[in-house]
This record gives sequence, structure tokens and C-alpha cells, in this order.
Amino acid sequence: DGGITQSPKYLFRKEGQNVTLSCEQNLNHDAMYWYRQDPGQGLRLIYYSQIVNDFQKGDIAEGYSVSREKKESFPLTVTSAQKNPTAFYLCASSIAQGGTTGELFFGEGSRLTVL
Amino acid sequence: SQQGEEDPQALSIQEGENATMNCSYKTSINNLQWYRQNSGRGLVHLILIRSNEREKHSGRLRVTLDTSKKSSSLLITASRAADTASYFCATDPNSGYALNFGKGTSLLVTP
Repeated sequence: DGGITQSPKYLFRKEGQNVTLSCEQNLNHDAMYWYRQDPGQGLRLIYYSQIVNDFQKGDIAEGYSVSREKKESFPLTVTSAQKNPTAFYLCASSIAQGGTTGELFFGEGSRLTVL
Repeated sequence: SQQGEEDPQALSIQEGENATMNCSYKTSINNLQWYRQNSGRGLVHLILIRSNEREKHSGRLRVTLDTSKKSSSLLITASRAADTASYFCATDPNSGYALNFGKGTSLLVTP
């Protein structure tokens, strides 16, 4: 079945450690996105990528890094510089439509807890 | 930036009743989309309405868009307990390439 796979589903991290969240899609979508969700805050955009080897910062990119070496993969690294990393992280993809964003397909999310 | 704002923040109704959620936004858009999220899960796309459309239907869902008021509404008719979830509006801005999500409306449908 086509879709987006995020792993791990749950992750615990000690302060000062970097962690990488995986996001893989087999939908042949050009565009991929990372959002962060906190209770009562809705979704906030961290990074997005419209094409391989290119990505742009979203509204809350500080303390995060990404790479887009393959069309299918868009991993997110939460660095020790992120002051409050405990959150639910959602990856999504879409067909790039020349200036418009169509339907987003989401993964099931990764819940990161800093101990 | 979070452009969409849903209203109400929470809604509790009984099965069979209709549920209406509203979304307001600030800047011009290409389209507006509604998503559903069950607790602890990813979001699922429900419906997309383009800026030149005024109303759209999909099953028990009816979405309206008023670009002059920068607002949209989602109506779920004949609600079921399985409709219990959070509902988010998302705007596709003219100037960007990523959706801006609101904070969502939490819907509880009791049997």
C-alpha cells in the first residue's frame, strides 16, 4: 500500500542528545513537510522540501535540521539546540503543483519526550 | 505562520445532530482544506475548496468559502460517535508553498 511511514512512533531523549526522526513515502510525491504539534497549538511548520536536494525553513526551524537526498526520504534531526523538543511530530507529503499545495498525506506521527 | 483560526475550540453534540465549525484566515489563498485527526494519530484530508468556489459537498460534509470575509465553515450532518475527532482548517497561501494550519476544533459526539 502507498503511504507515509514515520518511525519511531515513540522516542525518549535525554537533554543534550540529538535524535533523528525518519519519514519515508512511496507515493512518488515531490513535496515533503515536517510539522510540530503541541497541545492547543495546532500544527506549526518546521521545514519543507519541494524537490530533492532542496529545502526551506518553516516558522519554527531553529534547533532542527533536515536533509532531502532521496525523493522518498525526509529525515528530521532534533538537535540539542532545540529548547523544548517534547512534542508530536508529523511528516506529510504532497504532489507539487506549481505554486499551489494540494492534499497533504500524513504519517502517523512520532512522539518525542525529553527526559 | 498559523493563519487559520477555528471556532469553536470545542463542540459537544449528540448523535444525529449537525456539527458546524468555522475557520477564519487573514491573507489571500489558493485553496482552503479541512482535515480530521483522531487522538494520537496523523491527519486525514477531508475536503479541498478552491478560492473561486463557494460551496462543496462530500458525503455528509458541506464546506463553504467566503473569500470576501476570509472565512469558511465545515458542516457535518447527522453526526455519529465515530465523528469524534479534532478538525483543522488549513490555508494554501498565494505567497508560499506550505499549508498553514489553525488550532483546530475538538468535536465530541455522544451516543
